[in-house]
Amino acid sequence: GAVVSQHPSWVICKSGTSVKIECRSLDFQATTMFWYRQFPKQSLMLMATSNEGSKATYEQGVEKDKFLINHASLTLSTLTVTSAHPEDSSFYICSAKMAGDYNEQFFGPGTRLTVL
Amino acid sequence: GDSVTQMEGPVTLSEEAFLTINCTYTATGYPSLFWYVQYPGEGLQLLLKATKADDKGSNKGFEATYRKETTSFHLEKGSVQVSDSAVYFCALSDRGGNKLVFGAGTILRVKS
Repeated sequence: GAVVSQHPSWVICKSGTSVKIECRSLDFQATTMFWYRQFPKQSLMLMATSNEGSKATYEQGVEKDKFLINHASLTLSTLTVTSAHPEDSSFYICSAKMAGDYNEQFFGPGTRLTVL
Repeated sequence: GDSVTQMEGPVTLSEEAFLTINCTYTATGYPSLFWYVQYPGEGLQLLLKATKADDKGSNKGFEATYRKETTSFHLEKGSVQVSDSAVYFCALSDRGGNKLVFGAGTILRVKS
């Protein structure tokens, strides 16, 4: 199957700093990428959907200025957590999808963010 | 809004035991239903799916049937193996497959 990578796999940062997480589709062109957040013992919550070359669509309750998403190419999307605080600590997961309906989302392994 | 409820874990079974993980959903319209599996240290992988009522998805010995009348999509396997130990997520999406709504996940542990 198609492979999606994330980098870094884990990151620890100080409160007030910004952190960038990369999501790459390694062997296919991803017209749409998704960012999810997962709290301990809870389900994945969709944060935003991004289409290559256009602005991301954020879910209700997700701060656009806090979580900046860029989908500059068909193989790369980035999530930047700006001015991170301890409550932003979480597991962030991306997925990627090819063009067309019913196409499967392929998931990255996730990034563990800890804000001190 | 749409939601998915699945049984809490962890579920601990002996090898070759029968597995059922319950999943029910609430949705408007006619969603597609999925089971994803996450092995330790890996990303979520699609295990099986069903796109309309009475469809049965199957893969690797796992099965689930889309039951519209009971709004359920229970996952079953007749004989589990140690290698099936993972976290299993039930999910639904709209027809376009774009917006996935996940259940909380169920940890399965299979002992030899």
